[in-house]
Amino acid sequence: KQEVTQIPAALSVPEGENLVLNCSFTDSAIYNLQWFRQDPGKGLTSLLLIQSSQREQTSGRLNASLDKSSGRSTLYIAASQPGDSATYLCAVSGTGSARQLTFGSGTQLTVLP
Amino acid sequence: GAGVSQTPSNKVTEKGKYVELRCDPISGHTALYWYRQSLGQGPEFLIYFQGTGAADDSGLPNDRFFAVRPEGSVSTLKIQRTERGDSAVYLCASSRDGMSTDTQYFGPGTRLTVL
Repeated sequence: KQEVTQIPAALSVPEGENLVLNCSFTDSAIYNLQWFRQDPGKGLTSLLLIQSSQREQTSGRLNASLDKSSGRSTLYIAASQPGDSATYLCAVSGTGSARQLTFGSGTQLTVLP
Repeated sequence: GAGVSQTPSNKVTEKGKYVELRCDPISGHTALYWYRQSLGQGPEFLIYFQGTGAADDSGLPNDRFFAVRPEGSVSTLKIQRTERGDSAVYLCASSRDGMSTDTQYFGPGTRLTVL
């Protein structure tokens, strides 16, 4: 059974810092990996989707990398802003059922002004 | 265009009651998913529809949970004889056609509280 772990569970940084969020998964047989953002009381917003054949994806100040063989992904946020404060969730889509996502528990990020 | 919508946004019920949660996916999306999220945890998969049929219901915790999507658009998640442990946020997502390359777009969720 696929398990997804996110470290750290919570992170607090001053505005302007670059930061890295980590995600690891136990079964490397995945179709894709997604990073989501969740604001309190809200649904999930997809940030980046990396196919299993890709190594990284970039969108604005966000860069996500994927090392499928080692079961790891990182989300890099450059020049963090208070508006980046949210919970960041990593999810993988496995080969057993290519559609369902298995999520980590998330990293709660606070960017202090 | 409109995103995924879910109603109600909040539902409070008593133990043993029946509840229905509704999801309106993005227009034209053939794939629809239900997830459940407990406090401090990531969402957990419940069921996946491709069109009108449930292609994968392996995440439903027991037979008190049932979901339908009769016309391939709106879906209803039904919970019978609710228990306190059913309290969670129920999230719905849709994607264009359920391919592994698709992004899943999530609704805001329904917060269910069973007293």
